[in-house]
Amino acid sequence: DGGITQSPKYLFRKEGQNVTLSCEQNLNHDAMYWYRQDPGQGLRLIYYSQIVNDFQKGDIAEGYSVSREKKESFPLTVTSAQKNPTAFYLCASSIGGGGADEQYFGPGTRLTVT
Amino acid sequence: AQKVTQAQTEISVVEKEDVTLDCVYETRDTTYYLFWYKQPPSGELVFLIRRNSFDEQNEISGRYSWNFQKSTSSFNFTITASQVVDSAVYFCALISSNDYKLSFGAGTTVTVRA
Repeated sequence: DGGITQSPKYLFRKEGQNVTLSCEQNLNHDAMYWYRQDPGQGLRLIYYSQIVNDFQKGDIAEGYSVSREKKESFPLTVTSAQKNPTAFYLCASSIGGGGADEQYFGPGTRLTVT
Repeated sequence: AQKVTQAQTEISVVEKEDVTLDCVYETRDTTYYLFWYKQPPSGELVFLIRRNSFDEQNEISGRYSWNFQKSTSSFNFTITASQVVDSAVYFCALISSNDYKLSFGAGTTVTVRA
């Protein structure tokens, strides 16, 4: 089955700890994305990657870091510098970049930091 | 700057009623794409439709239909004869042809009561 997997579905951390969210895709897509969703709001782009070993900041990159060492993997680290890390995080991928390709989304990870 | 506005925060209907979700967008680009996504309670975003800025034909897919009017910068979505399974948050989104960032509206929560 082709798709995007994110694990775990729920994640709990103490304030001050870094945490890494996993995103894997077996769709052979070049581009991958991380979005953040807060209650009552649309999704906001954190980071995106068009190809392996390359990534760019989105609108709300502060306090986050990513890596793209493999085509199928795009992990997101929420650092202790992120002031409001509790949110729902969605990973997506598309065949290539640019608007013509729809983005496919994973099931999401709900992060709670206390 | 791009912006997507979904003025309706919540809509509640009784099963078999029709429901129309409004989406108004702003962009300076001449080539762009509009999307609708469905987010059921499970959290994963499900792609419903993509429309490019040069194609103003309305589209119907089963009980779903979309009305794209460039003159009013609107891309409205209608669910005909709604069902309980249609209960979800629906997002309208916009992307330019040479961009990677989807701009999302805040979403409309649709509740269909039996």
